[in-house]
Amino acid sequence: DAGVIQSPRHEVTEMGQEVTLRCKPISGHNSLFWYRQTMMRGLELLIYFNNNVPIDDSGMPEDRFSAKMPNASFSTLKIQPSEPRDSAVYFCASSPDPGNTEAFFGQGTRLTVV
Amino acid sequence: DAKTTQPPSMDCAEGRAANLPCNHSTISGNEYVYWYRQIHSQGPQYIIHGLKNNETNEMASLIITEDRKSSTLILPHATLRDTAVYYCIVREETSGSRLTFGEGTQLTVNP
Repeated sequence: DAGVIQSPRHEVTEMGQEVTLRCKPISGHNSLFWYRQTMMRGLELLIYFNNNVPIDDSGMPEDRFSAKMPNASFSTLKIQPSEPRDSAVYFCASSPDPGNTEAFFGQGTRLTVV
Repeated sequence: DAKTTQPPSMDCAEGRAANLPCNHSTISGNEYVYWYRQIHSQGPQYIIHGLKNNETNEMASLIITEDRKSSTLILPHATLRDTAVYYCIVREETSGSRLTFGEGTQLTVNP
């Protein structure tokens, strides 16, 4: 398996623009997570899905952020409108089930909002 | 999930064992200890986890004290590629695969 695939790897956008980050989890994994990493706040969980249903979105910073999982093989994280403080590395991870199993992380998307 | 405390940084000589400590004094009976690491510019990588027994896999060993209030991750023969930030995470079984990352320990393996 190719692992968790995220695209794009790098994104530079202007403030106010819409940004969409994409994630393809490992086939057969039922749980999917979006994390954000910054120097100031470290790794933060934004939202996680189980069987394509959002379970906990308490980490989503504000209404400008939204995440969807239309099917088991694809998820998006959208920021609209983007702001410079959204600049960070966004990681997607998946795991086989909600129980005690390891999570597999993608390589991340480095977002820069100018 | 219980809070963990780790030293911010450690150094280790290449080829020697790296012992990374973690305190989790408020851990409860159904919480597991997980270790992940993050090599620069990459996503976090799972290393090992355990409940109360010591665990070993191809990457590392996990030693959990009898009272479960602390643990040690052991990399038996550290290499330069083991330079990374190591995260100790305590997680409840009922919280699914949700992981709450702290600040971790920056391990630097020196030649």
